[in-house]
Amino acid sequence: EVQLVESGGDLVQPGGSLRLSCTASGFSFSIYSLCWVRQAPGKGLEWLGYIGSGGSVYYEDSIQGRFTIFRDNAKQSLYLHMNNLKIDDSAVYYCARNPAVGGLDVWGQGTTVTVSS
Amino acid sequence: AIQMTQSPPSLSASVGDRVTISCRASQNIKNDLGWYQQEPGKAPKLLISAASKSHTGVPSRFSGSGFGTEFNLTITGLQPEDFATYYCLQEFPFPYTFGPGTKLQ
Repeated sequence: EVQLVESGGDLVQPGGSLRLSCTASGFSFSIYSLCWVRQAPGKGLEWLGYIGSGGSVYYEDSIQGRFTIFRDNAKQSLYLHMNNLKIDDSAVYYCARNPAVGGLDVWGQGTTVTVSS
Repeated sequence: AIQMTQSPPSLSASVGDRVTISCRASQNIKNDLGWYQQEPGKAPKLLISAASKSHTGVPSRFSGSGFGTEFNLTITGLQPEDFATYYCLQEFPFPYTFGPGTKLQ
């Protein structure tokens, strides 16, 4: 079964750091591009960033410099490292597969990040 | 970054109805647009990619159209399980951007 599973969500204080993981199974992870998307409580979807199969990375403007996306193909894993977290970063974070033909066709179940003192 | 608008923000309909949700891009995005369905508490699901290509397993009552800056998602013959929130996502160029969503109720 093609699957993405996020982990690492937690309660963190403002200014803190957190690393989210997304582990893939059931497909050839290394040949796919991937994205991170988040959804704050009661709000819409927000695209955060992309990493290509070759390692190229693009970010949404508001997180540039605070969030870092990277991947480990040997571990079939995608990561989102978040620094200097703000209360507004509280959200459910999803990873999604982004095939070359377009669309985010496989999504994880999401992991919850709460930033609060 | 390209701005995406959706209309209407919410839509009241009944089982069996035909409904259309629109998405407008602030610049030409060719056909690099997808449509997603999200039920409360669940991850989004891809319905349509490349503006009009139905994703595997998506019922034929869902169809997409458009090119450039104007796009539509049409549901013909609403089913009870279709009452959800729908989002468009543009994928050209970076950064990708989602529309604000349309809640179908």
